[in-house]
Amino acid sequence: KAGVTQTPRYLIKTRGQQVTLSCSPISGHRSVSWYQQTPGQGLQFLFEYFSETQRNKGNFPGRFSGRQFSNSRSEMNVSTLELGDSALYLCASSDGGSANEKLFFGSGTQLSVL
Amino acid sequence: QKEVEQNSGPLSVPEGAIASLNCTYSDRGSQSFFWYRQYSGKSPELIMSIYSNGDKEDGRFTAQLNKASQYVSLLIRDSQPSDSATYLCAVHNNNDMRFGAGTRLTVKP
Repeated sequence: KAGVTQTPRYLIKTRGQQVTLSCSPISGHRSVSWYQQTPGQGLQFLFEYFSETQRNKGNFPGRFSGRQFSNSRSEMNVSTLELGDSALYLCASSDGGSANEKLFFGSGTQLSVL
Repeated sequence: QKEVEQNSGPLSVPEGAIASLNCTYSDRGSQSFFWYRQYSGKSPELIMSIYSNGDKEDGRFTAQLNKASQYVSLLIRDSQPSDSATYLCAVHNNNDMRFGAGTRLTVKP
């Protein structure tokens, strides 16, 4: 099976712009979660989608949004970028069916906001 | 109080020694517990999962869970330089997974 695919691998944007990141989960996985990783804060949960519905959301401002398509692929959008949004954005997929689910991570998108 | 807490380290152990990594969590309703390993510049990968109190062994790795104390640990026996990485504790409840900030482990030859 192919792993979790995230595109693009690197992004450079300027303040005020918006960005869209993409994630294709492992075939058959219905859940996609998004995380922000920074050296100081570690992995911070953004949101999780399951069967095209946002099932849970972390403590991030409304500038961060996402969606999931019928093929389980997911996109994350950040509007009005700020310098503090510079981070590694990781997507993780899982079957999503139980509390015992294990996450499989993509390689991430490294976003730099100048 | 953070939901999942770990000592950030760095933790340094000599090759062949036992490395002990600890994690505490705040939500008593947490159901599942995981340890992920993240090499520098790479994404996290799952190495252990544990769901009930007690010990779970897998090769050189042993995960320990004590729900009464809200405590999870990971022991790495016969540590190797290739074990040098950041270890992330993750706790699952209410449909989402929360991670600790990670403990950086260095195994010195």
